[in-house]
Amino acid sequence: TQLLEQSPQFLSIQEGENLTVYCNSSSVFSSLQWYRQEPGEGPVLLVTVVTGGEVKKLKRLTFQFGDARKDSSLHITAAQPGDTGLYLCAGAPGNQFYFGTGTSLTVIP
Amino acid sequence: NAGVTQTPKFRVLKTGQSMTLLCAQDMNHEYMYWYRQDPGMGLRLIHYSVGEGTTAKGEVPDGYNVSRLKKQNFLLGLESAAPSQTSVYFCASRAEEGFRYGYTFGSGTRLTVV
Repeated sequence: TQLLEQSPQFLSIQEGENLTVYCNSSSVFSSLQWYRQEPGEGPVLLVTVVTGGEVKKLKRLTFQFGDARKDSSLHITAAQPGDTGLYLCAGAPGNQFYFGTGTSLTVIP
Repeated sequence: NAGVTQTPKFRVLKTGQSMTLLCAQDMNHEYMYWYRQDPGMGLRLIHYSVGEGTTAKGEVPDGYNVSRLKKQNFLLGLESAAPSQTSVYFCASRAEEGFRYGYTFGSGTRLTVV
């Protein structure tokens, strides 16, 4: 049983569209991180959120931590082919992080 | 900076063979980790180290051993490889253990056991 469930598992969209992916759990987290992983590479940290309700923006990416600190969302505005990759969330009930299974995003030019 | 470097990038083993995966980091990080990534399973922690000379078990440690003789290096050993150990292995490091600190990952080792 996965501590973190990510949805959707796969997403294929056209360039310029908006999208939201989700990371859900029944556990409360001290913090939650989002990573992007490109084929043949390791995950790269995008953001860390630590406060319930916190919103962080990274260019066209908007990250939100749920009020109860059990879930998070990642919204991408006007997706570009360079956004293609596997998006992983990772939650820390304590100091150790547990990773979700990821959302595989393909942005078609 | 190179960050986290893993060698080799690819390897094919026969069942029962042994091998060592090498991870080196140049960021002076105290904490180092070995994960495996399998389809539908996400990243699962195998072993980790909180400093030179220390190791600890993670979520899926069976069949693996590790050593951290030098602060910058973290070795993952498979004594007798099994097909179930076919996976992509990632090494990661971070400066602090707290929940505010993210991981820096290597580019992975793709291991196939036949």
